[in-house]
Amino acid sequence: LAKTTQPISMDSYEGQEVNITCSHNNIATNDYITWYQQFPSQGPRFIIQGYKTKVTNEVASLFIPADRKSSTLSLPRVSLSDTAVYYCLVLTGGGNKLTFGTGTQLKVEL
Amino acid sequence: DVKVTQSSRYLVKRTGEKVFLECVQDMDHENMFWYRQDPGLGLRLIYFSYDVKMKEKGDIPEGYSVSREKKERFSLILESASTNQTSMYLCASSSLPGQFNEKLFFGSGTQLSVL
Repeated sequence: LAKTTQPISMDSYEGQEVNITCSHNNIATNDYITWYQQFPSQGPRFIIQGYKTKVTNEVASLFIPADRKSSTLSLPRVSLSDTAVYYCLVLTGGGNKLTFGTGTQLKVEL
Repeated sequence: DVKVTQSSRYLVKRTGEKVFLECVQDMDHENMFWYRQDPGLGLRLIYFSYDVKMKEKGDIPEGYSVSREKKERFSLILESASTNQTSMYLCASSSLPGQFNEKLFFGSGTQLSVL
């Protein structure tokens, strides 16, 4: 089964760029890598998805190297409101199960 | 926007009770999921369904069952609640039948306490 590994926590300050890396050594050929953000007392919400190289939207950028065994979520110029848990998600279990990792707790301070 | 609604925000039940957690989505999505979330363990998949009356076990199905009689509704059932089922339960839905590289939409969760 594919498994994702992320740092448990990260700390940052407002205005800094934050990079969160996820390892997924057993990713399958057709899998996409998706990142979710979760605030306390809410369900996770989708922030970005990619297959290879680089994807950018209004919220974040996603960098995926050629071997696709890892991915990096980049949050530019974070603010206090970016304090949340960030989950890296890839397909696992032969194609049917969407399994989350344990997530990375990002704390942004002034 | 897609809306996934879970019937209760907080629920307190006693050991041995039969518990129903209800989830409704309004975007005609084929796929629906139930996760539980516990501190330090992240989100763990309990069951999912990719069509009406279809269900598949996730990673931790023991002690749970599900029902999907209508496309928009996916119910999680605890036949005999136990204290180790105290948790936050999250329902999600997604489109793209048969393709799981898609976007999940989550409800706000039900915090279940079993005493």
